[in-house]
Amino acid sequence: KQEVTQIPAALSVPEGENLVLNCSFTDSAIYNLQWFRQDPGKGLTSLLLIQSSQREQTSGRLNASLDKSSGRSTLYIAASQPGDSATYLCAVRLQGQNFVFGPGTRLSVLP
Amino acid sequence: DAGVIQSPRHEVTEMGQEVTLRCKPISGHDYLFWYRQTMMRGLELLIYFNNNVPIDDSGMPEDRFSAKMPNASFSTLKIQPSEPRDSAVYFCASSLGQEQFFGPGTRLTVL
Repeated sequence: KQEVTQIPAALSVPEGENLVLNCSFTDSAIYNLQWFRQDPGKGLTSLLLIQSSQREQTSGRLNASLDKSSGRSTLYIAASQPGDSATYLCAVRLQGQNFVFGPGTRLSVLP
Repeated sequence: DAGVIQSPRHEVTEMGQEVTLRCKPISGHDYLFWYRQTMMRGLELLIYFNNNVPIDDSGMPEDRFSAKMPNASFSTLKIQPSEPRDSAVYFCASSLGQEQFFGPGTRLTVL
């Protein structure tokens, strides 16, 4: 059974710092991996989607990498801002359209 | 497009009552997903549809839960009878088979 974990569970950094969020999965047979952010009381907003054949994707200050063989993905956030404060979740797509989500990393960026 | 629309946004009901949650996916999307999010279990996939047909309902917790998609622009998730342990945030999401887009969720409280 696929399990997805995220480390750390919570992270607090001062504004301007670069940071890395980690996502690990136990079964490398995935079709893609998606990173989301969730603001308190809100739905999930898609950030980046990485296909299983890709190594990384970039969008603005965000960069996500994927190492399928080792079962790991990282989300790199450059020059963090208070507006980046949210919970970040990763999800892997299995066969069909079955998705397994990680528990999330709660990020606080302090002004 | 207005994105994925869910109603109601909040629902408070008493144990034993029937609850119906509604979802309108993004126009043109052919996949629709229902998720449940709790503090204890995180985000769990309940069921998903492709072209209005249920494909995988293995995540539906009990027979008390049922979901329908009578047409491409509408889906319901029904709980009958509801129990306090059903209290959670229920999300609907849609996609074209790759990136998922989430609605704002329905916060259900069963007293």
